[in-house]
Amino acid sequence: QQPVQSPQAVILREGEDAVINCSSSKALYSVHWYRQKHGEAPVFLMILLKGGEQKGHEKISASFNEKKQQSSLYLTASQLSYSGTYFCGTATGTYKYIFGTGTRLKVLA
Amino acid sequence: IAGITQAPTSQILAAGRRMTLRCTQDMRHNAMYWYRQDLGLGLRLIHYSNTAGTTGKGEVPDGYSVSRANTDDFPLTLASAVPSQTSVYFCASSDSDSPEEEFPSSPLHFGNGTRLTVT
Repeated sequence: QQPVQSPQAVILREGEDAVINCSSSKALYSVHWYRQKHGEAPVFLMILLKGGEQKGHEKISASFNEKKQQSSLYLTASQLSYSGTYFCGTATGTYKYIFGTGTRLKVLA
Repeated sequence: IAGITQAPTSQILAAGRRMTLRCTQDMRHNAMYWYRQDLGLGLRLIHYSNTAGTTGKGEVPDGYSVSRANTDDFPLTLASAVPSQTSVYFCASSDSDSPEEEFPSSPLHFGNGTRLTVT
């Protein structure tokens, strides 16, 4: 079953923060996060392999709670370039690698 | 330039026709994937392969077939296209430390997509 992301959509002003959540009904072995701009292919942001791990990429960071089967993506001091659709990708123990439902993010000037 | 190449970029196809979408990577990645993306539905896995000679069914495999004769190529075939297969198709690949690795621990690299319209 496809991981569920929340919120489905969010609108921010430049400089505001946002949190995107990803929840799975199955045990997770790893979580990836991707951003997709309109008309383009998804682009990798970061990967989390261990429970409770937190990683950062510029002003974007993420956490992975293995026990809760959840991951969260944190966008700090958002920029116009952060606009796009964010997907979590999950591995549940095989190469049947599936993506979450997606979160559309729009950053306004 | 290293990466994934998909062909064609776009195609309009009459219902009932057979079509093969091509995907080639030159990164020597073990794993390859096919996804379809429909408006509002995100990326859905069609088929995958964790190594040459092995394929598996994804979330929406019906009406599609794949083969993995070698490491580089992973073609997707629609035997008899139907309008519900109108979509954008993305091929992706990922590296692994070994074919025995049980799940992808490396990023997925995506091709630029094929926009398919079935009329």
